[in-house]
Amino acid sequence: ETGVTQSPTHLIKTRGQQVTLRCSSQSGHNTVSWYQQALGQGPQFIFQYYREEENGRGNFPPRFSGLQFPNYSSELNVNALELDDSALYLCASSLRRDLDIQYFGAGTRLSVL
Amino acid sequence: ELKVEQNPLFLSMQEKKNYTIYCNYSTTSDRLYWYRQDPGKSLESLFVLLSNGAVKQEGRLMASLDTKARLSTLHITAAVHDLSATYFCAVTIQGAQKLVFGQGTRLTINP
Repeated sequence: ETGVTQSPTHLIKTRGQQVTLRCSSQSGHNTVSWYQQALGQGPQFIFQYYREEENGRGNFPPRFSGLQFPNYSSELNVNALELDDSALYLCASSLRRDLDIQYFGAGTRLSVL
Repeated sequence: ELKVEQNPLFLSMQEKKNYTIYCNYSTTSDRLYWYRQDPGKSLESLFVLLSNGAVKQEGRLMASLDTKARLSTLHITAAVHDLSATYFCAVTIQGAQKLVFGQGTRLTINP
């Protein structure tokens, strides 16, 4: 049990729709990172938030956006869903911005039809 | 661009045997992580290796780091079925905010 919770656990959407995924960080952790894990692949870094500001971004288009709230919970928003967005989305929290150990949530499985 | 490669990608072994998973990375890194993932589950942190020559052991798993060769190994001793999972290595570089993962090694241990 990592103390990082994600919701929902599973989600089915159709192409073109929008989705919001949520993450509650481990207590006291001010940094959250989001990753996309396609089936059979390693996780790919989407972006990181530190104290409510974006603090690094991977090779993902602008339709992937995020928010971090004062209580350090966060959201991942994806607009104009595409079939290739089907994946497991993982959030990870860490105590410091300089990448102390990242603790992962159980993930949200998104299926785009 | 930092790249991380693991081999083998698939490993089927018998209980009580020893084996090693290799993780190569392309540029200088200041820390290397090993994670375990069970099917449909999230990532569990196993080891963090911070310096050249670092060795860490937990039960039947031992991880080591050679920063000059840009190589880490995860050694499994006398495998048991409970170790069946996918193992990922991941690397960061100083000042970067992201983990770069390898493709994963799917380990199956047969009785």
